[in-house]
Amino acid sequence: AQSVTQLDSQVPVFEEAPVELRCNYSSSVSVYLFWYVQYPNQGLQLLLKYLSGSTLVKGINGFEAEFNKSQTSFHLRKPSVHISDTAEYFCAVSDSAGGYQKVTFGTGTKLQVIP
Amino acid sequence: IAGITQAPTSQILAAGRRMTLRCTQDMRHNAMYWYRQDLGLGLRLIHYSNTAGTTGKGEVPDGYSVSRANTDDFPLTLASAVPSQTSVYFCASRELGQGNYGYTFGSGTRLTVV
Repeated sequence: AQSVTQLDSQVPVFEEAPVELRCNYSSSVSVYLFWYVQYPNQGLQLLLKYLSGSTLVKGINGFEAEFNKSQTSFHLRKPSVHISDTAEYFCAVSDSAGGYQKVTFGTGTKLQVIP
Repeated sequence: IAGITQAPTSQILAAGRRMTLRCTQDMRHNAMYWYRQDLGLGLRLIHYSNTAGTTGKGEVPDGYSVSRANTDDFPLTLASAVPSQTSVYFCASRELGQGNYGYTFGSGTRLTVV
């Protein structure tokens, strides 16, 4: 069975400061990893994904994430946040077993950017 | 339109009533999903469909049913609503077999069962 743990439910950070949102996963098979962003009263949007290859993945809006297999982590980072980054962020894992291709979401981390 | 359209955007429903949440996509994705989002629980899969004519149960299917008569539409029906079904419901789609790309989500339906 696969699972995703987002260690922080809320992360306050001052504008222009760096931020890291943590995500740890468990899975018995090869995984694909995703970060989604949800702005208030909207659906989730794909921020970035790791499928294979380079462990450092760059996404939209200046975000990046690093896949660390030994630590089973996929932390999301941004060197300098803006007010517009205030949103909830979800980490997700999908295994590569065929058919259903189950996707499991974390419980989310609310990023609050303080002016 | 481009993407997924969900209707209604919000609804207040009396307990015991029947309700269908609508979901339409125009991307010709083969797979579609219904999730519910609850505070502190993240997103939980209700039902899914890998292709038109087939459906499957997710983590929390009880009290819900779906159908997939064609590629574009994937309605979710609550046969007899209960207060515990108060939630925000998201429809999503993706194309299976294309490098496992991520989901495209609709904007959600906020349902309150009273």
